[in-house]
Amino acid sequence: QKEVEQNSGPLSVPEGAIASLNCTYSDRGSQSFFWYRQYSGKSPELIMFIYSNGDKEDGRFTAQLNKASQYVSLLIRDSQPSDSATYLCAVNIAGSQGNLIFGKGTKLSVKP
Amino acid sequence: GAVVSQHPSRVICKSGTSVKIECRSLDFQATTMFWYRQFPKKSLMLMATSNEGSKATYEQGVEKDKFLINHASLTLSTLTVTSAHPEDSSFYICSAPTQGGDSPLHFGNGTRLTVT
Repeated sequence: QKEVEQNSGPLSVPEGAIASLNCTYSDRGSQSFFWYRQYSGKSPELIMFIYSNGDKEDGRFTAQLNKASQYVSLLIRDSQPSDSATYLCAVNIAGSQGNLIFGKGTKLSVKP
Repeated sequence: GAVVSQHPSRVICKSGTSVKIECRSLDFQATTMFWYRQFPKKSLMLMATSNEGSKATYEQGVEKDKFLINHASLTLSTLTVTSAHPEDSSFYICSAPTQGGDSPLHFGNGTRLTVT
C-alpha cells in the first residue's frame, strides 16, 4: 500500500528559527512532491512543489528531495508566528491523473 | 493564478435532506477533479475522483449512491450528499490539477457541512 509518512508533531520552534519538516514515501514510482499548508478550519494551500532531486528555494521556503532515500523535506527560515499551521506532504500516485497521497500532516507552532 | 471556487462555504441542513456542493475551475479546464473529506484534526481523505463526461471513481468504503458526483462540464463538478445524517457532518474539499498529470492540485475553500 502506498504511504506517505510524517511526524505528527507538534513541532515547536521559536520565532526567527528554522523549522524543518520531514516526509518519507513508499512509492518509488512517484515523481512529483508537494507541500501544503493548512490553517485550522481552512482548506490546504500549496506552498511548494518539487520534481527533481536536490533543493528548490522560494523565499523563506526550501524544499529538498532525495528520491534514492524516498525522502522530502521542507525548511522554513526565519519562522514567523503566522507560519503556525499543519503542513501536509503530498506525493503523486504514479500513472494517475493528478491523484495525490497525503501524509497526516505535521503541526508546526512558532512561538513569539 | 489558477483558482478553484467551491460553494457554499458553509451549510447547515436537517437530517434526511440532500445538499449539493459545487466546485468550479475558474481560469482553466479540469477534466479531473477530486473530492476530499476531512474530520476535525484528521487527515484529508480522498472520497472520489470526478471525471468529465464519465462516471466518478469512488474510493473503497465510500457509498456512491450517497455521495453523487456529476462532472457535466470541463469547469464544474458537483457533489450531492443525499439523505444526509449527522455522521455526514464534515469538511468537504474539492481540488483540481491545473494542467493535468503531475501538476499541483489547487483546492477550493471547502464546505463545512453540519447535519442536525
